[in-house]
Amino acid sequence: GAVVSQHPSWVICKSGTSVKIECRSLDFQATTMFWYRQFPKQSLMLMATSNEGSKATYEQGVEKDKFLINHASLTLSTLTVTSAHPEDSSFYICSASSGTTSYNEQFFGPGTRLTVL
Amino acid sequence: GQNIDQPTEMTATEGAIVQINCTYQTSGFNGLFWYQQHAGEAPTFLSYNVLDGLEEKGRFSSFLSRSKGYSYLLLKELQMKDSASYLCAVMDSNYQLIWGAGTKLIIKP
Repeated sequence: GAVVSQHPSWVICKSGTSVKIECRSLDFQATTMFWYRQFPKQSLMLMATSNEGSKATYEQGVEKDKFLINHASLTLSTLTVTSAHPEDSSFYICSASSGTTSYNEQFFGPGTRLTVL
Repeated sequence: GQNIDQPTEMTATEGAIVQINCTYQTSGFNGLFWYQQHAGEAPTFLSYNVLDGLEEKGRFSSFLSRSKGYSYLLLKELQMKDSASYLCAVMDSNYQLIWGAGTKLIIKP
């Protein structure tokens, strides 16, 4: 099956610093990658959708200057949380779609737990 | 607006059967997904329905009625490892996934 990895699995940082999270599709080419955020006991919230080689499309209310997304290749997308603050602490999950299934199935990475002190 | 409703929490007994319902109102419909999510982990795909009817996959089955905007996930022969949150998600006309808040399933011995 399709495998998506994320790195790091968890990160603790100081307020004001930037954190980069990597999302890789290991055995398929991901034409589209999605970034989600999930707060405790809540559902997934889509932050942005990115297609390889083009700018990401951000959901309403998500600051694109704060959450920088780069999708430079068909197997790698990165999310950079700039000037992180405690309210950015959350579980960040990426997913990837190859676009080859009839229903654009998304394969999820294991998630990155970010704690901002 | 777009809306997905599912119960917040359900409790069932090991070995029993449980049905988790999901109702939806979305702009367009390109299929309904069920995902399982254990605490602290990412969701894993369980099923996809785009046509009306029942899809069976081992102990898990998923049903869809497009006219009623309704789906359910049926779990049989419950095991303790089935304790997790179950997320219902609908793909809308723009092929975006609209997520429900999830149903936390607690399995008791």
